This record gives sequence, C-alpha cells and structure tokens, in this order.
Amino acid sequence: QSALTQPASVSGSPGQSIAISCTGTSSDIGSHDLLSWYQQHPGKAPRLIIYEGNKRPSGVSTRFSGSKADNTASLTISGLQAEDEADYFCCSYVGSHTFGLFGGGTKLTVL
Amino acid sequence: QLQLQESGPGLVEPSETLSLTCTVSGGSIKSGSDHWGWIRRPPGKGLEWIGSICFTENTEYYGPSLRSRVTISGDTSKNQFSLKLNSVTAADTAIYYCARHLWHSKWYFDVWGRGTPITVSS
Repeated sequence: QSALTQPASVSGSPGQSIAISCTGTSSDIGSHDLLSWYQQHPGKAPRLIIYEGNKRPSGVSTRFSGSKADNTASLTISGLQAEDEADYFCCSYVGSHTFGLFGGGTKLTVL
Repeated sequence: QLQLQESGPGLVEPSETLSLTCTVSGGSIKSGSDHWGWIRRPPGKGLEWIGSICFTENTEYYGPSLRSRVTISGDTSKNQFSLKLNSVTAADTAIYYCARHLWHSKWYFDVWGRGTPITVSS
C-alpha cells in the first residue's frame, strides 16, 4: 500500500516562513496534481486550504501556498501567525485500488 | 451554503455494527458528479479516508483498510447518506466526519461536517 510521508512536527516563530513536506512516489504525487492540504485545529473539523497542488479555495489566506518537486509536495506558510498552530495533512489520489490516502499529519507549533 | 451534519450513537459495544448518518443541507446529494465521503480520525492518529459514494453515478468506493467491513449508502429523499461499519473494535474509536468529495479529475474534500465522536467500549 502506498504511503504519504510527512514530518511529525515543524515549528517556527511569528513572521517566519515554514514548509511542510509530503513525500510519495512516482506513481502518485509524481504523476499528477491531485494533491490537497488540510488544516485542523484541536476539536475542529479539517479545513481545505490547498487543492490540485497549488490552488487556494475562496477565503484561504494567500500566506498558504502549495508546490511540488518530483515526488514531494510542499505546503508553505509565510508570515507565520499564532492562529496557524494546528495539524496539517496532505492527501493524494494514489491509484485505482487504494484510491486515496492522507499523510500521517504534521503538527505545526508557532513559538 | 452547503452544510453537513453527522449523527451517531456516541458509544458502540465491541463486535456490534456502527451506524452513522450525514444530513446535507443547502444542496442536493444528487448534484452533478459530487461524491460524498466518510473520513475518521482516531485519537492521537491521523486522518483516514473510509469511503465515498456518488448517487448520480451509482458508485461506491472504499479505502483498503476497512473495505471488508464497511458499507456506505444513502436516502436521496432525505438528502442523507450513511455509514455502516460492522464488527467494531476499540481500534474503531475515532471522530467520524462526513464531507463532500470532489472526484473526477480532482480528489479532495471541500466541505466538512463538524464530526461525531464514536467510542467502542463495553
């Protein structure tokens, strides 16, 4: 079964920029842009912040951006704010048997 | 504005069947090629896609880990869809979310319910 690998945790100070990686394979992340990112605050529902690799839904801050290089997708958050402290999950279509997977999640701490 | 709301029993005994319902308002579950999905998050763990259904295409898709125990169905007259997970164990304790799942040439969940906590315990 495919897996999407994220770092367990990242941290940054207010105003800084951070990046969260999501590593897959040439058969999933490396072969299409069906990659999305979700933000989840404690006790809240996940919120879509990036879809199709680098598109932002209406209402999502421009401080959030998505990119990809080979088999690794990245979520970059610029101008870190205290409210960005949350868990972040990538999600990708991985094929016609498994269909889709979430990454293990990354806890962002704003110092 | 599309809204989704999960409902469920809260507590389920081991080996029993978990039944959850998602009520959709502000839009129809028979709209275009929209799929409707279930996702869960066990305590201390990450998100897991359980499966999704499309009422206009009459299709259901399930993730591999729960495929043998899960069924997703719906009642279009009530604008609801449901999840049944049989033979539950403590490992099925989680917050369960329903969401609209955009599928064709896409693969993401754009509108989520608030989630319903489920505990499996005797």
